[in-house]
Amino acid sequence: SAVISQKPSRDICQRGTSLTIQCQVDSQVTMMFWYRQQPGQSLTLIATANQGSEATYESGFVIDKFPISRPNLTFSTLTVSNMSPEDSSIYLCSVDRMVNEQFFGPGTRLTVL
Amino acid sequence: KQEVTQIPAALSVPEGENLVLNCSFTDSAIYNLQWFRQDPGKGLTSLLLIQSSQREQTSGRLNASLDKSSGRSTLYIAASQPGDSATYLCAVPIQGAQKLVFGQGTRLTINP
Repeated sequence: SAVISQKPSRDICQRGTSLTIQCQVDSQVTMMFWYRQQPGQSLTLIATANQGSEATYESGFVIDKFPISRPNLTFSTLTVSNMSPEDSSIYLCSVDRMVNEQFFGPGTRLTVL
Repeated sequence: KQEVTQIPAALSVPEGENLVLNCSFTDSAIYNLQWFRQDPGKGLTSLLLIQSSQREQTSGRLNASLDKSSGRSTLYIAASQPGDSATYLCAVPIQGAQKLVFGQGTRLTINP
């Protein structure tokens, strides 16, 4: 398995501000993923983050709104920029280990007022 | 485009019952299928991973089956307990990639 931590665990933010979410893994991984889970919904992939290259964003998500950093093989950040109430969600990072099993962090619960 | 569906959306049963959660997917060319558990407001816990070459996997009171040809998987929970109350999600990777497509989940409540 993988031990994944996220900071912060939750936050309440004002409209128009930005929040950076950190994801730390206990071992080196090639790919890290960022997902969003809106209230009452399932998970939707935001982007895939590879170390040393630009993140790959899914349809409907753009770098200006969700910039991602991947400075090394154990760490990544996701920033939610210029937030609005519609950004209120749980944001989760995940990693893919051997045999393609994915493991998820505990999530960051974001509320935008 | 791969789509994943879970039925039922919610299920409430008394403690001790055996139950089955269903997951279906539209594209049968999958590498594997993964079942997760999510407690309210929390992250996902991986329960079982079934490779495409396998028909079932077991972990404790949980048993997951996979029928690729019919595009279906089931999660069987034996002797349910109140601590099993959570949302159960199934997910499959998009062909050729490692990113997952999730079902909407089944919200399970086990009543003492």
